[in-house]
Amino acid sequence: DIVLTQSPGTLSLSPGERATLSCRASQSVSSSYLAWYQQKPGQAPRLLIYGASSRATGIPDRFSGSGSGTDFTLTISRLEPEDFAVYYCLQYGNSRFSFGPGTEVDVK
Amino acid sequence: EVQLVESGGGLIQPGGSLRLSCAASGFTVSTNFMSWVRQAPGRGLEWVSVIFSAGSTYYADSVKGRFTISRDNSKNTLYLQMNSLRAEDTAVYYCARGTTVGRYYDYWGQGTLVTVSS
Repeated sequence: DIVLTQSPGTLSLSPGERATLSCRASQSVSSSYLAWYQQKPGQAPRLLIYGASSRATGIPDRFSGSGSGTDFTLTISRLEPEDFAVYYCLQYGNSRFSFGPGTEVDVK
Repeated sequence: EVQLVESGGGLIQPGGSLRLSCAASGFTVSTNFMSWVRQAPGRGLEWVSVIFSAGSTYYADSVKGRFTISRDNSKNTLYLQMNSLRAEDTAVYYCARGTTVGRYYDYWGQGTLVTVSS
């Protein structure tokens, strides 16, 4: 099974700063099958990015995704107050899915 | 409008069984792949199971042999039958809709809490 690792575990930043989140896979993942989610306390996850780099409907352009193979990145160009949350990557392979452990972006 | 509403959670003793339901509206469950994803208190998301439109099913190793995913097309509802429950199955269980064009989830329910405790 493909294992996803996310780093850092926690990212402490101020509004307006740039956030760079990493997702690494234990084996190669098709870019088509890599997605990113945002989750706030008490809420269901929200789709941000699919296909490694395509923004979901209604997602602001400050969110961008990149990467291929085993290394993927979610970038938030300028943090807004509503962006402080936990972010998860998701992959699909061999008929199964797996999530990374998450990166919490909190206020510095 | 796409909606997913989970139900069936609650407090259950270890070794017991529970069936979760996810009532869908705004689309047909048999058209999309559908999954259950859980989240233990204070922990991350854990993928549990998937049922594809053709009917094939797959499970996480942690639940294989104990959980069964199914759907009722006439009721447009997804199910998760959970048997031999353990304390470590305690979590909020989310129902999620997969897209028809990729392998990711675009809509989620609000979740139902399952607590396994004596």
